[in-house]
Amino acid sequence: EVQLVESGGGLVQPGGSLRLSCAASGFTFSTYWMTWVRQAPGKGLEWVANINQDGSEKYYVDSVKGRFTINRDNAKNSLSLQMNSLRAEDTAVYYCARRNDTDVWGQGTTVTVSS
Amino acid sequence: DVVMTQSPLSLPVTLGQAASISCRSSQSLVYSDGNTYLNWFQQRPGQSPRRLIYKVSNRDSGVPDRFSGSGSGTDFTLKISRVEAEDVGVYYCMQATYWPGTFGQGTKVEIK
Repeated sequence: EVQLVESGGGLVQPGGSLRLSCAASGFTFSTYWMTWVRQAPGKGLEWVANINQDGSEKYYVDSVKGRFTINRDNAKNSLSLQMNSLRAEDTAVYYCARRNDTDVWGQGTTVTVSS
Repeated sequence: DVVMTQSPLSLPVTLGQAASISCRSSQSLVYSDGNTYLNWFQQRPGQSPRRLIYKVSNRDSGVPDRFSGSGSGTDFTLKISRVEAEDVGVYYCMQATYWPGTFGQGTKVEIK
């Protein structure tokens, strides 16, 4: 069964850092682009970042550029999102998804940025 | 960024009746390879999104055939032929032709 499981969310103060992880199973992880999407409380969906199969191409939405870093470890079938200089507006459920057209989603991990 | 506009934003429907959601993009979603990367997602209450339709009209595995997608260029439609109780939730269109992918605002489907 294809599965994505996110972890690492929590409560952090403004300006703080958090690292999210996504464990992939049930498919050949190294052959897929991967994407992070977020959903603020009661709001819609926003593409955050994506990364190609070998990690040589990374793209970020403007609002997180310079603060967030997407990475992957194909040996461990793992995707990560390092989030620095967090702001209140980064509060959201963060989902990892397979492919640019997001055919499979994880259950999400909640990030709350608040003092 | 490509703007995706859905209508209506709220859709009360009677069980067993049909429902239709419109999605318009601010520019054509036809990619250079000839494909149109327009997807539809369902998000049930308390759950993560689930893709229903990809490339305009292709149903994902396990999606009931009462869901269908159509359209071209900038205008797209998701239809539910006979709404069931399990179809309650928010439906999003999403374009993956251009980076970054962008989503519509969502259409909340509820039972009358």
